Amino acid sequence: QSALTQPASVSGSPGQSITISCTGASSDVGRYEYVSWYQQHPGKAPQVIIYEVRNRPSGVSNRFSGSKSGNTASLTISGLQAEDEADYYCSSYTSSNTLLFGGGTKLTVL
Amino acid sequence: EVQLLESGGGLVQPGGSLRLSCATSGFTFNNFALTWVRQAPGKGLEWVSAITASGITTYDADSVKGRFTISRDKANKILHLQMDNLRADDTAIYYCAKAYRLGTYPRTLISWGQGTLVTVSS
Repeated sequence: QSALTQPASVSGSPGQSITISCTGASSDVGRYEYVSWYQQHPGKAPQVIIYEVRNRPSGVSNRFSGSKSGNTASLTISGLQAEDEADYYCSSYTSSNTLLFGGGTKLTVL
Repeated sequence: EVQLLESGGGLVQPGGSLRLSCATSGFTFNNFALTWVRQAPGKGLEWVSAITASGITTYDADSVKGRFTISRDKANKILHLQMDNLRADDTAIYYCAKAYRLGTYPRTLISWGQGTLVTVSS
């Protein structure tokens, strides 16, 4: 099963908003409300920042938000900060009882 | 505080075997599904295997099916990954991760270990 499709890179200036898309299929993103987003800083383990499409774990800034339309999920980061520079991965539960990740998006804060 | 600590990584020759362990604490082990996720050097995340809270049902990615076996030791609260017939493309950091919700398939990975590096090379 192919990875979910994410842009390889996005960038933005401090204070701006950016959106990262995550495109799957009707058997994963389009079928279930089990899309998660993970943030990974270099040399660190991933950390969930959005789960079940739009929910934030406690302790995660409300500058992070998630949504979904059809087979595409999106992560929006508002009020960009230098500390947001990291790799971001989406994931989705699939009809095959697997977990599918996106290829990852490198966010650069200019 | 939930803690996951992987061990068992190292250098192994192609065709060899390795057993990874993930020691857990800070949560009721028998109530949560667990999973292994790997990340090849400079690459993205790849889901590897999952096991339900009961340990009865396991799921594997096609890339490791028939070669890797996930299991859980309830007495010692440890997750294992037995890796056989290793190939060069299995080289990666292997993370164990815990499901967010009680008892279900790990659809959201709420806690992660720091990972253990497996290198397959002659």
